[in-house]
Amino acid sequence: DTAVSQTPKYLVTQMGNDKSIKCEQNLGHDTMYWYKQDSKKFLKIMFSYNNKELIINETVPNRFSPKSPDKAHLNLHINSLELGDSAVYFCASTPLTGHSGYTFGSGTRLTVV
Amino acid sequence: AQSVTQPDIHITVSEGASLELRCNYSYGATPYLFWYVQSPGQGLQLLLKYFSGDTLVQGIKGFEAEFKRSQSSFNLRKPSVHWSDAAEYFCAVVPSGGSNYKLTFGKGTLLTVNP
Repeated sequence: DTAVSQTPKYLVTQMGNDKSIKCEQNLGHDTMYWYKQDSKKFLKIMFSYNNKELIINETVPNRFSPKSPDKAHLNLHINSLELGDSAVYFCASTPLTGHSGYTFGSGTRLTVV
Repeated sequence: AQSVTQPDIHITVSEGASLELRCNYSYGATPYLFWYVQSPGQGLQLLLKYFSGDTLVQGIKGFEAEFKRSQSSFNLRKPSVHWSDAAEYFCAVVPSGGSNYKLTFGKGTLLTVNP
């Protein structure tokens, strides 16, 4: 069983479209995250949810909206996609204490054309 | 300002040679420290972590890291590199204490292994 699973793995879409990426973890972790990895491989946190509650919201355009229906799921919806949104998006989870390290999904490569 | 720095963008070593990847941090208190590896087209895998105690930490795949408080460093080492170790390596930190578990990454070091 995959610990943190993301779907889809690849996503190619046109500018202006709306798309969603889904994430599920079966580790029983309390906190989930979305990270963005740009073309230079730099990883930056976007959002964090703790048991369905938003706790970290970095400076991200409001076209990006996370949704956590329960503590095992954290989805990312993106409206009006732009070329600059092309990146790899990683979902991650961690127990409440946080210091045991994050478990990452395998990533979703989003290409906006 | 809090930061984590990996001074080397790209390192090339020969297979069988030893490896050291550098990581320095700037935080008020010693944070929790991690090394992750990302193989091409793959996700991030945790190699090892340091919270407290023994400053030499053993990880997976034969890697180890040493925490040096005086130098604010957490360098990753491997005595003999294999071709399969070619990947991007990220040092990362989480502030200790409090409830902020935001994992902040360095910019990564790309490791190339020559045959």
